[in-house]
Amino acid sequence: EDQVTQSPEALRLQEGESSSLNCSYTVSGLRGLFWYRQDPGKGPEFLFTLYSAGEEKEKERLKATLTKKESFLHITAPKPEDSATYLCAVQPRRDSTLTFGKGTMLLVSP
Amino acid sequence: ETGVTQTPRHLVMGMTNKKSLKCEQHLGHNAMYWYKQSAKKPLELMFVYNFKEQTENNSVPSRFSPECPNSSHLFLHLHTLQPEDSALYLCASSQEAWRGGADTQYFGPGTRLTVL
Repeated sequence: EDQVTQSPEALRLQEGESSSLNCSYTVSGLRGLFWYRQDPGKGPEFLFTLYSAGEEKEKERLKATLTKKESFLHITAPKPEDSATYLCAVQPRRDSTLTFGKGTMLLVSP
Repeated sequence: ETGVTQTPRHLVMGMTNKKSLKCEQHLGHNAMYWYKQSAKKPLELMFVYNFKEQTENNSVPSRFSPECPNSSHLFLHLHTLQPEDSALYLCASSQEAWRGGADTQYFGPGTRLTVL
């Protein structure tokens, strides 16, 4: 059974204070690992897809990395508008389904 | 309209009502999904449709009935729901479910359902 565990559950940062979110996973053959951002009352917004260990992707202040067992979402010099819940999901090779973690709720204070 | 749209955005219904949620995707995708999102729980996949054919039903109670008339539209028909069914219902679409390479799902804004 595919599993995703995200930590911490919640993270409070000061503006400019860099940090990382963790996503540990088990999957029977990884097709892709996904990061999404979700604002309150809205649907998840796609951020990144990572395909294989060693891969990295960047978008503005966000950088996602992947190993064989976990992924990190690094946030450099965050701003209050980065406050959201960040979701990690894995997709197995056998189909297109996604298994999600519970998410990390990030709050960035000015 | 662009992306994935869902209507209504909010719905309040009694346990004996019948209602439907609608999803439309404007991305030219071939696969569509229904998810349930409850507080403190991960997104739960409910149904998957590939080229209008249902390919996954994650042990969802029969009071939820999906319908996919074409690859752009997806409905979720609701009847005799329970209060514990109150949640955010999300629709998603993706390019194609069975091709190689990761298949990115794009989500709609969701319908906030409250069952009284």
